[in-house]
Amino acid sequence: SQQGEEDPQALSIQEGENATMNCSYKTSINNLQWYRQNSGRGLVHLILIRSNEREKHSGRLRVTLDTSKKSSSLLITASRAADTASYFCATDGLIKAAGNKLTFGGGTRVLVKP
Amino acid sequence: DTAVSQTPKYLVTQMGNDKSIKCEQNLGHDTMYWYKQDSKKFLKIMFSYNNKELIINETVPNRFSPKSPDKAHLNLHINSLELGDSAVYFCASSRDHYTDTQYFGPGTRLTVL
Repeated sequence: SQQGEEDPQALSIQEGENATMNCSYKTSINNLQWYRQNSGRGLVHLILIRSNEREKHSGRLRVTLDTSKKSSSLLITASRAADTASYFCATDGLIKAAGNKLTFGGGTRVLVKP
Repeated sequence: DTAVSQTPKYLVTQMGNDKSIKCEQNLGHDTMYWYKQDSKKFLKIMFSYNNKELIINETVPNRFSPKSPDKAHLNLHINSLELGDSAVYFCASSRDHYTDTQYFGPGTRLTVL
């Protein structure tokens, strides 16, 4: 089963609007990351939030983390056509004895219409 | 100046064949990974090497054999290819096996006919 599951699976918005997507996970974590994948490309790291942080900003990105609910949200403000991509959350394991194993969710496909 | 590169980008082959995918990173990282992304976009880790040593080996058929000749390279060899092996395979690297941020290659789309 997927550790991280994104919601919604797909999102279509107009340029300039905000896009919000959520990620839920099952087991305790040290941190949670968000990655972006453009069509036909590899994943690109966007932002990392640690388990002792509640909110983090990076440019037009805002990430929240609620460890009590085992959930995170990614907000993209003032979206642009170039933000069209799939967005994935990834969680690590609490114990890193076995290496840095990230578990990815199924992604949210975001379409920003010009 | 591609950080993580993979070859080939596309691979189309017949069932039963053996094929290899190569990965190289020029970031000076110690740790490299192979992931499989299926048609529904789910991404699952397959292997991880740290300084040429295997540290993560998920439940993957033994037809898949990774090889790391040095810490900048991690190749994936697949024997007796099956239809279900069709997917996009991503290589990634991280500074070390405790560092969380991973850098991904562009992917290799494998199609088994």
